[in-house]
Amino acid sequence: DTGVSQDPRHKITKRGQNVTFRCDPISEHNRLYWYRQTLGQGPEFLTYFQNEAQLEKSRLLSDRFSAERPKGSFSTLEIQRTEQGDSAMYLCASIRVPSEENYGYTFGSGTRLTVV
Amino acid sequence: DAKTTQPNSMESNEEEPVHLPCNHSTISGTDYIHWYRQLPSQGPEYVIHGLTSNVNNRMASLAIAEDRKSSTLILHRATLRDAAVYYCILILGVRAGNMLTFGGGTRLMVKP
Repeated sequence: DTGVSQDPRHKITKRGQNVTFRCDPISEHNRLYWYRQTLGQGPEFLTYFQNEAQLEKSRLLSDRFSAERPKGSFSTLEIQRTEQGDSAMYLCASIRVPSEENYGYTFGSGTRLTVV
Repeated sequence: DAKTTQPNSMESNEEEPVHLPCNHSTISGTDYIHWYRQLPSQGPEYVIHGLTSNVNNRMASLAIAEDRKSSTLILHRATLRDAAVYYCILILGVRAGNMLTFGGGTRLMVKP
């Protein structure tokens, strides 16, 4: 397993367009998280899934944002009608719970979104 | 949620030890202390975690104060590859899978 993969690494889009990002977690990890990180700040939690169920959403996740994890494996994060304020790094992380050996969350390298 | 306080930045010389402090005076008895680091253009990376006792792994050591109101991440010999932002995070239960709440972290600069 090569860790958590995110695609694409970079995305430039025009304001008002829709974008979709994909995250492939570590295969045996049942929990998947999405975070957003703006320049100079720490990552902020957006939402997470336990298998295919979306269990929590941050108030940061406006109605233009939607996330899915249809088969409990990969996940997608879609942003509709993008705004310049959506420009950020979008990070995905996964973990298996419960686990007797919990070495923390594994993050992907992120997708950097630039809205012009 | 209990919060952590870290210096914004620190500098170190290569091959010298680095002590990164973290204050968490409102920590509760069930909060674990986690450290992550984020290298440039990468996602955060797990470093170490602990509850009450000091912990060592291949990456670093974690020293936890007796009253648990502070902790220190120790890099025994800093290398240029250790230049990163280091985040100290409190999380309820090491196996709970709860979300991480990141602060601003400490930007570590390593000089050759």
